[in-house]
Amino acid sequence: DIQMTQSPSSLSASVGDRVTITCRASQGISNSLAWYQQKPGKAPKLLLYAASRFESGVPSRFSGSGSGTDYTLTISSLQPEDFATYYCQQYYSTPPYTFGQGTKLEIK
Amino acid sequence: QVQLVQSGAEVKKPGASVKVSCKASGYTFINHGITWVRQAPGQGLEWLGWISGYDGNTNYAQKVQGRVTLTTDTSTTTVYMELRSLRSDDTAVYYCARDRGSYYPPPPGDAFDIWGQGTMVTVSS
Repeated sequence: DIQMTQSPSSLSASVGDRVTITCRASQGISNSLAWYQQKPGKAPKLLLYAASRFESGVPSRFSGSGSGTDYTLTISSLQPEDFATYYCQQYYSTPPYTFGQGTKLEIK
Repeated sequence: QVQLVQSGAEVKKPGASVKVSCKASGYTFINHGITWVRQAPGQGLEWLGWISGYDGNTNYAQKVQGRVTLTTDTSTTTVYMELRSLRSDDTAVYYCARDRGSYYPPPPGDAFDIWGQGTMVTVSS
């Protein structure tokens, strides 16, 4: 199975900050990577797929990049509604399609 | 609109079974797969399995293989997840989620664009 290592596990930041979350796969996943945002008590929400493609309605302050085994999610200027937990997920080749362990983004 | 609506919360005893439903609407059911994901209290997301809306083909996580069965009813566009021999560590919120791409037939392996609201399954004696 492909293991996804996400870092950091938690992050404190202020409104307006630029933040980056990274995800490393245990083998190459050919950009088959999605990023999700989850708020307490809610289902996850798809932000980006294919490593860098925006899901409809997602603000442009979110962006994704990477290739091979290493991927990043960047939020260019944090807004109050962005404080949440973020997960990466690989969907390369055959199942299981594993998630990273999550990054909790908190207000400083 | 496109939505997935799940059945309500369940409380079960260890060793029992639970069957959770996921009613799909607003899209062509046979062109998408449905994945089940669970989240134990305070924990991350765990991929459990996938089923094709086209032909009911399935893939399961090794951790629950042999205890979980996914099925579809195309006449009602509903997907079911049955988990047997429940243990306390099966206590979690269970989500169904739609594969983003529309294919005929749909392959496994995609991001999930629509999620159900979640079903809390509590296993306790």
